[in-house]
Amino acid sequence: EAGVVQSPRYKIIEKKQPVAFWCNPISGHNTLYWYRQNLGQGPELLIRYENEEAVDDSQLPKDRFSAERLKGVDSTLKIQPAELGDSAVYLCASSLGGQGGYEQYFGPGTRLTVT
Amino acid sequence: QKEVEQNSGPLSVPEGAIASLNCTYSDRGSQSFFWYRQYSGKSPELIMFIYSNGDKEDGRFTAQLNKASQYVSLLIRDSQPSDSATYLCAVTLRGKLSFGAGTTVTVRA
Repeated sequence: EAGVVQSPRYKIIEKKQPVAFWCNPISGHNTLYWYRQNLGQGPELLIRYENEEAVDDSQLPKDRFSAERLKGVDSTLKIQPAELGDSAVYLCASSLGGQGGYEQYFGPGTRLTVT
Repeated sequence: QKEVEQNSGPLSVPEGAIASLNCTYSDRGSQSFFWYRQYSGKSPELIMFIYSNGDKEDGRFTAQLNKASQYVSLLIRDSQPSDSATYLCAVTLRGKLSFGAGTTVTVRA
């Protein structure tokens, strides 16, 4: 069974530029998550989707971050404009569904460097 | 108060020994408990989950949950150099998974 797929794996951009990340979850997983992980810390949830609906985006900085999950499968996370503090690893995860009680499986992540 | 707390380590254990990792959480309503392993430069990998009080064993790993004490632990028996990694404790509450900062384990040959 294929795991969570993310692209790109690495991205280097200058501040104020836009950037987008793409995620394809495990087949059949209805719930999709975007996390951000800073060095030496655990992942922090940015947004959670159940099918097409964003059910928890309370931690998403909405002034510059946006996300979508069209057709309830693939998802994209966008930052515009990027700031130096956005440098981190952006992780996508998926689970079968429900209130987060199901096991979450992570993709390889996108390492973003903002210069 | 952080939602999930772990000792950052590093925890150094000799090969073949038992590594014991601890995690406490702040909200008594927390429902599900997970341990992830993260190698340097890689993403977290789920290795154990536990939903009810007691012990759960899977190979060389044992997860222990004590909801009354708000405490979850992970034991790694017969530690191998390949177990050297950061171990993240994660807890769900109202649909949100919260992570600790992780404990770094080094298994020395």
